[in-house]
Amino acid sequence: DAGVIQSPRHEVTEMGQEVTLRCKPISGHDYLFWYRQTMMRGLELLIYFNNNVPIDDSGMPEDRFSAKMPNASFSTLKIQPSEPRDSAVYFCASSLLWGGVAKNIQYFGAGTRLSVL
Amino acid sequence: GQNIDQPTEMTATEGAIVQINCTYQTSGFNGLFWYQQHAGEAPTFLSYNVLDGLEEKGRFSSFLSRSKGYSYLLLKELQMKDSASYLCAVRDGGKLQFGAGTQVVVTP
Repeated sequence: DAGVIQSPRHEVTEMGQEVTLRCKPISGHDYLFWYRQTMMRGLELLIYFNNNVPIDDSGMPEDRFSAKMPNASFSTLKIQPSEPRDSAVYFCASSLLWGGVAKNIQYFGAGTRLSVL
Repeated sequence: GQNIDQPTEMTATEGAIVQINCTYQTSGFNGLFWYQQHAGEAPTFLSYNVLDGLEEKGRFSSFLSRSKGYSYLLLKELQMKDSASYLCAVRDGGKLQFGAGTQVVVTP
């Protein structure tokens, strides 16, 4: 299996610009998670989906952040407008909650390193 | 809410044993996970405990005491490649809450 695929791997943008991060979960997984990691705050859950439906978005920092999952194989996290404090590594993870040996385990993508200047 | 505490950093010698402790206070509990994260890389799954006791997987073992809100990850026969951050995470419902991570430094 190809694993969780994120794009781009690196993004450098200027303050005020729109940023879109993309994620393709592992095929067959029914949960998808978006995390943000910084030195100061560690790994924080932003939002997660179950069967393409957002379940908990309480970690989304503010209205500038939005996430969608139009189908089982694709999700986006959008920041508009971006600010320097949004600079972080953004990870996407997926899991199959009720299945075999792999139940409950989240598998992470390689992440997108975002720098907002 | 959830509070997950683990030491910031530990140093050990190649070939030695290191134990990373994790204490948690949570509103819900559906299991405790340990992840390994090398610098600049994604977290990768190491172990999962949902019942009290010890889970052994090769050089790595993880222990859980639900009544004490306590877990540890034991790394045996340390190798240089084990230098990484180790993240304790508690599952509450469908989501994980991660601790800040313990940076393990393995010296020759």
